[in-house]
Amino acid sequence: GENVEQHPSTLSVQEGDSAVIKCTYSDSASNYFPWYKQELGKGPQLIIDIRSNVGEKKDQRIAVTLNKTAKHFSLHITETQPEDSAVYFCAASSDTGFQKLVFGTGTRLLVSP
Amino acid sequence: GAGVSQSPRYKVAKRGQDVALRCDPISGHVSLFWYQQALGQGPEFLTYFQNEAQLDKSGLPSDRFFAERPEGSVSTLKIQRTQQEDSAVYLCASSLVGDRGRDTQYFGPGTRLTVL
Repeated sequence: GENVEQHPSTLSVQEGDSAVIKCTYSDSASNYFPWYKQELGKGPQLIIDIRSNVGEKKDQRIAVTLNKTAKHFSLHITETQPEDSAVYFCAASSDTGFQKLVFGTGTRLLVSP
Repeated sequence: GAGVSQSPRYKVAKRGQDVALRCDPISGHVSLFWYQQALGQGPEFLTYFQNEAQLDKSGLPSDRFFAERPEGSVSTLKIQRTQQEDSAVYLCASSLVGDRGRDTQYFGPGTRLTVL
């Protein structure tokens, strides 16, 4: 089955810096890669996703890149703000059957003012 | 509009007790998922419903775990004879269709279960 690895496990940056979180996956059939942000006491919230037919997607300060050959994808947050502090999870799923998400272990991002 | 809601938000059970966790998905969403999130870990898949049909329960840890969605809307995850290792946050997610790997899954706030 699919296995998703995520790093780093913790990331501390100064406000205004960029943050990059990287994930690798094992199943070449995976073709949908969402990123979720989880704040304390809340459920995961989708912030951006990418499908295998594109290599990059941007939404304001957030971007995701995908390298299917190397089986890795990354989340980039520019101009970080304290409210970006949270735990971020990458996930992967395939088109086969239903959409079961396999999650990474999470990255705790701390943005200091 | 209303998102996915779950109740109770917190549940404390003594070892051996049965618990029932409720999920109200977004209205009209066909697919419903349950995930288990251990402390400091990512969510792990438990089971999947398409309308009232439970199409996959491969992630349920043991036969003490049972889920249902009798009318294709509200779902209940039941855990019998709870054990300490069942302590986790139980997340429910729904999506509009979910069977083509192309639908966003929307998560509820979760139920934090603590087994003493």
